[in-house]
Amino acid sequence: QVQLQESGPGLVKASETLSLTCTVSGGSIRSYYWGWIRQPPGKRLEWIAYINYSGGITNYNPSLKSRVTISVDPSKSQFSLKLTSVTAADTAAYYCARRVTRGGYFDYWGQGSLVTVSS
Amino acid sequence: DIQMTQSPSTLSASVGDRVTITCRASQSITIYLAWYQLKPGKAPKLLIYDASTLQSGVPSRFSGSGSGTEFTLTISSLQPDDFATYYCQHYNSYYTFGQGTKLEIK
Repeated sequence: QVQLQESGPGLVKASETLSLTCTVSGGSIRSYYWGWIRQPPGKRLEWIAYINYSGGITNYNPSLKSRVTISVDPSKSQFSLKLTSVTAADTAAYYCARRVTRGGYFDYWGQGSLVTVSS
Repeated sequence: DIQMTQSPSTLSASVGDRVTITCRASQSITIYLAWYQLKPGKAPKLLIYDASTLQSGVPSRFSGSGSGTEFTLTISSLQPDDFATYYCQHYNSYYTFGQGTKLEIK
């Protein structure tokens, strides 16, 4: 059974960089795409970005593209998210997920990591 | 951007009821639609993809239908474990989600 686990600070100061890592277990990181989705309190889910297992293909939500970097380390079965210049609007539960190769849906998700941006 | 609108936002129902949630896209997304179940503190669960294909391991009481701009998720006979929040997601180009439907116990 594929499992994903987010890790990273739960509190980030405004204007700083949010960094999260997702560790994949129970399956190979290869041959899939890996993504990040977030959900601010009381709001809908928002797709952030995805990357393929080799790092050769990335895609970003245009509304966040200027501040987001997604990367992958296949040797550690991990992929990561960096979001720069955070504000209170970036406070959210951040989920990592596996995206199927053919299609854009996410078949396995982590439990989510709540990140709060403090002023 | 393609906007996804779900209705209703909240649905009160009882165990054994048949319920339907609707998701509308602002333009055609053919069948590129998925449904997810979210519960607090748990990993979101994929229920349906390609509008009507049941994800492996998901109970057959869940079904999806639709194409183009209008889609539905139906639970044929509600079970206690089904009370959760449900989201649709399109993947026609970039990905956006509906605002969610919270399924509550009546």
